[in-house]
Amino acid sequence: DAGVTQSPTHLIKTRGQQVTLRCSPKSGHDTVSWYQQALGQGPQFIFQYYEEEERQRGNFPDRFSGHQFPNYSSELNVNALLLGDSALYLCATGRATNYGYTFGSGTRLTVV
Amino acid sequence: AQSVTQPDIHITVSEGASLELRCNYSYGATPYLFWYVQSPGQGLQLLLKYFSGDTLVQGIKGFEAEFKRSQSSFNLRKPSVHWSDAAEYFCAVMNRDDKIIFGKGTRLHILP
Repeated sequence: DAGVTQSPTHLIKTRGQQVTLRCSPKSGHDTVSWYQQALGQGPQFIFQYYEEEERQRGNFPDRFSGHQFPNYSSELNVNALLLGDSALYLCATGRATNYGYTFGSGTRLTVV
Repeated sequence: AQSVTQPDIHITVSEGASLELRCNYSYGATPYLFWYVQSPGQGLQLLLKYFSGDTLVQGIKGFEAEFKRSQSSFNLRKPSVHWSDAAEYFCAVMNRDDKIIFGKGTRLHILP
């Protein structure tokens, strides 16, 4: 049983570019949350998807957007990248009726 | 607003010694509380969680945590640490909308 899969594992982008990160949930999970973890900080909630809808959102600008597909996988898109967007992006998946979330290993994004 | 405070940024203990990592939370209702561990460059692994019931919670790898409502605390303990326990530890609280709020983490160093 595969856990939460994130791709790519590492990514280098230039300021102003756009990036798409992907997350495949653990089997049986229907809810996907995205977190940003800057170096030396705890993860910060970006947004959560359930039934292909954004259910709630943290304090992140509109440059951060997402999508959930019918198979429950999800994408995080970041437009107009800034140096400050450099971070580890974590995906966490779970079931809507169960509060056990499983985290992926993350995507390390470096903006230069 | 919900928040989590981990007052110790770094903790150093000798291998075989006992460990206690402190966590205080701010949340209006009965909280859902978690402890996660993160090894360098890795995602988050759930150590234990508290939803209700017995205030002493047992987790994986020999860890336990005690919920104290009167002190708004959820401290993590281990009677005897191993060198492999060296990592970053995050305390977190989840609100009723499944948004997980993390503390800034405590880096645990183990002396041989």
